[in-house]
Amino acid sequence: KAGVTQTPRYLIKTRGQQVTLSCSPISGHRSVSWYQQTPGQGLQFLFEYFSETQRNKGNFPGRFSGRQFSNSRSEMNVSTLELGDSALYLCASSLGKGLAVLDTQYFGPGTRLTVL
Amino acid sequence: GESVGLHLPTLSVQEGDNSIINCAYSNSASDYFIWYKQESGKGPQFIIDIRSNMDKRQGQRVTVLLNKTVKHLSLQIAATQPGDSAVYFCAERFTGGGNKLTFGTGTQLKVEL
Repeated sequence: KAGVTQTPRYLIKTRGQQVTLSCSPISGHRSVSWYQQTPGQGLQFLFEYFSETQRNKGNFPGRFSGRQFSNSRSEMNVSTLELGDSALYLCASSLGKGLAVLDTQYFGPGTRLTVL
Repeated sequence: GESVGLHLPTLSVQEGDNSIINCAYSNSASDYFIWYKQESGKGPQFIIDIRSNMDKRQGQRVTVLLNKTVKHLSLQIAATQPGDSAVYFCAERFTGGGNKLTFGTGTQLKVEL
């Protein structure tokens, strides 16, 4: 099976712009989670989507949003970019059997966003 | 390559030696723990997981130990190889919290030839 894919791999934007990142999960996986990775804060959870619904959200401002499509592909959007949004954005997919079931998350290679 | 973290704790081992990477987790309600390996320029790669009703689990060359009393997790790598050089993260999750993972700060493992 193909792994989690993310596009684009690299992106450069300026402050105030917005950006959309895309994630295609492993075939058959229904849950997609997004994480932000920075040297200062490490890996932090942004949100999770399952069956096109957000079912979990981290502590990020409303400028960070996402959605999931019927084929489980997901996008995240960051509006009004700030310098501090420069980070590696990682997407992870899992089978998503349910809230009470523990299933393994597999990560994509990430999108490196640089805000100038 | 890309740096995944600055000022990470570093563990240096000789090739062929065993490595032990430690992690303190934060939430006593967490009942699922995972170790990930991240190489430069790549996303985290799943290594091994353990549920809270276990205290030890073994995989190929890796063993995870869980001590719930002191909220401590460790990853043991046997016969460490140059390809094991990477940053290692522990992550915790609690049932009912969906798939939200809370990650540790990471440990840089350097394998010396």
